[in-house]
Amino acid sequence: DGGITQSPKYLFRKEGQNVTLSCEQNLNHDAMYWYRQDPGQGLRLIYYSQIVNDFQKGDIAEGYSVSREKKESFPLTVTSAQKNPTAFYLCASSPGTPTTGELFFGEGSRLTVL
Amino acid sequence: GEDVEQSLFLSVREGDSSVINCTYTDSSSTYLYWYKQEPGAGLQLLTYIFSNMDMKQDQRLTVLLNKKDKHLSLRIADTQTGDSAIYFCAESINDYKLSFGAGTTVTVRA
Repeated sequence: DGGITQSPKYLFRKEGQNVTLSCEQNLNHDAMYWYRQDPGQGLRLIYYSQIVNDFQKGDIAEGYSVSREKKESFPLTVTSAQKNPTAFYLCASSPGTPTTGELFFGEGSRLTVL
Repeated sequence: GEDVEQSLFLSVREGDSSVINCTYTDSSSTYLYWYKQEPGAGLQLLTYIFSNMDMKQDQRLTVLLNKKDKHLSLRIADTQTGDSAIYFCAESINDYKLSFGAGTTVTVRA
């Protein structure tokens, strides 16, 4: 079945460590996104990529990095520079333009910094 | 600007109608969306409405759009326990970007 797979679902990290969250899609979508979700704050855009080998910063990119070497994959690295990394991270994709702009979401990865 | 606001909580009795409200700021938004998130999961699109429409109905769901007031609402008829979730309002900023509200947690009580 087509969809978006995020891994791991739960991740624990010590302060000062980098961690990489995986996101893979087999929907043949051009665009991919990373959002951060905190209680009561909704979803905030970290990075997005419209095509392979290209990506743009979202609203809260500081302390995060991404790559888009393949159409199917858009990994997110949470670096030690991210001051408050404990959150629920959601990856999404969309077919790109011209569409209804609908996003298709993965099941999320919950990162806890100890 | 990009700012979507919605109330944080709604409690409704099983069988009643739920109404979730949202206001947005970008008058150029082409589409407005309602997404549903169940505990520990990602978001799923419930429905969307094109900005030149006033209303859209899809089975138990009715979306009303007031462009003048930049107000969007979602009505769920005959609310069931399976409707307990967080509901997010979102507006399209451009072809690639959506702006989301903080989400309304709907609790259905027996």
